[in-house]
Amino acid sequence: ETGVTQTPRHLVMGMTNKKSLKCEQHLGHNAMYWYKQSAKKPLELMFVYNFKEQTENNSVPSRFSPECPNSSHLFLHLHTLQPEDSALYLCASSQELSRAGYTFGSGTRLTVV
Amino acid sequence: AQSVTQLDSHVSVSEGTPVLLRCNYSSSYSPSLFWYVQHPNKGLQLLLKYTSAATLVKGINGFEAEFKKSETSFHLTKPSAHMSDAAEYFCVVIRNTGGFKTIFGAGTRLFVKA
Repeated sequence: ETGVTQTPRHLVMGMTNKKSLKCEQHLGHNAMYWYKQSAKKPLELMFVYNFKEQTENNSVPSRFSPECPNSSHLFLHLHTLQPEDSALYLCASSQELSRAGYTFGSGTRLTVV
Repeated sequence: AQSVTQLDSHVSVSEGTPVLLRCNYSSSYSPSLFWYVQHPNKGLQLLLKYTSAATLVKGINGFEAEFKKSETSFHLTKPSAHMSDAAEYFCVVIRNTGGFKTIFGAGTRLFVKA
């Protein structure tokens, strides 16, 4: 365990479903991130939250909706996804927006059918 | 502009032989440099990091990397590969001068043969 916990580990959803991914950390970090990892593509930064405020939205489609109720929890709400959204979604945290690096969760493997 | 290039998409070595995974970067500012490892169906784990201290950085599991500013390189090495080293490795650049930005390399898949 890295200290960043993601649930569920695996998720299969239809294109009309609504689901949420959850990320939780108790490392005392203040910045949290969502990344998308697709096969044969570099990691794509989706969203950044620093002290619960969204500081970056990397042109992510509105069918992905993040929520950060506090510095320890981060959600990614999903609705009307497309098959090409199938990927590994990784959550990470860091001590503010620093150059100290990230701690990653194990990811949620999402399959959209 | 910032970029990270991992020069090999795949590297194959025999168990017990040295490992070299190459990474070149470009950055207008003094960056921090990292290597992460990802085993199948797992998240990324930090191997080591360079943040403007010693240029030779030692990490976990016997890995080390040397920051060479003149060559803009940060290659990852290990003297003797183990079967458990088989994974994907990512070189990462982070800067927070002139705006916070993180750039991931495309990854290098390491295969270790018995």
